[in-house]
Amino acid sequence: GAGVSQSPRYKVAKRGQDVALRCDPISGHVSLFWYQQALGQGPEFLTYFQNEAQLDKSGLPSDRFFAERPEGSVSTLKIQRTQQEDSAVYLCASSSPAARSYEQYFGPGTRLTVT
Amino acid sequence: QKEVEQNSGPLSVPEGAIASLNCTYSDRGSQSFFWYRQYSGKSPELIMFIYSNGDKEDGRFTAQLNKASQYVSLLIRDSQPSDSATYLCAVPSGGSYIPTFGRGTSLIVHP
Repeated sequence: GAGVSQSPRYKVAKRGQDVALRCDPISGHVSLFWYQQALGQGPEFLTYFQNEAQLDKSGLPSDRFFAERPEGSVSTLKIQRTQQEDSAVYLCASSSPAARSYEQYFGPGTRLTVT
Repeated sequence: QKEVEQNSGPLSVPEGAIASLNCTYSDRGSQSFFWYRQYSGKSPELIMFIYSNGDKEDGRFTAQLNKASQYVSLLIRDSQPSDSATYLCAVPSGGSYIPTFGRGTSLIVHP
């Protein structure tokens, strides 16, 4: 079956523009995560959905960041009024929680460059 | 304070040697531990997970967990140049689905 897909793969935005990043999780995976990965660092948690419910958004760095998953499948991460410090790779991961099994499967990421 | 610590490296080993990658974590309540491999420009890929103290072997990979000392390690036997990548340790806090990732250790296997 298909893995996690993300689009666009690359996005260049001028400072102040709004961007929307899309994630298609593995079919049937109820859990979906967004991460931000800066160069040379590990992924940093942004937000977590279980089905359509956003259960944790504690990692969103500011109120310019917003995520949704209205039908419990595709998710969109939106960044308003982008700033240069938003430049990073945005990773989406999905998982299907089972007993003691929280393995996450990552998409290819969207590389955002804010100029 | 970072909850999951890894030496950023690079760790350089010759082909055929054993590569040893280490990770320490701060939350004593953590119950599951994951190792991801990330090639340059690619996304992380899960390669090992471990829940119980001791060793877990899968092919050339062995994960070792010591909860008392709060460290988890990954051994790669018979290292190959294709193993050259960044290895990320991920540890969910106790009771959480959300892992905290270390910054990763860069491994270079030279022929």
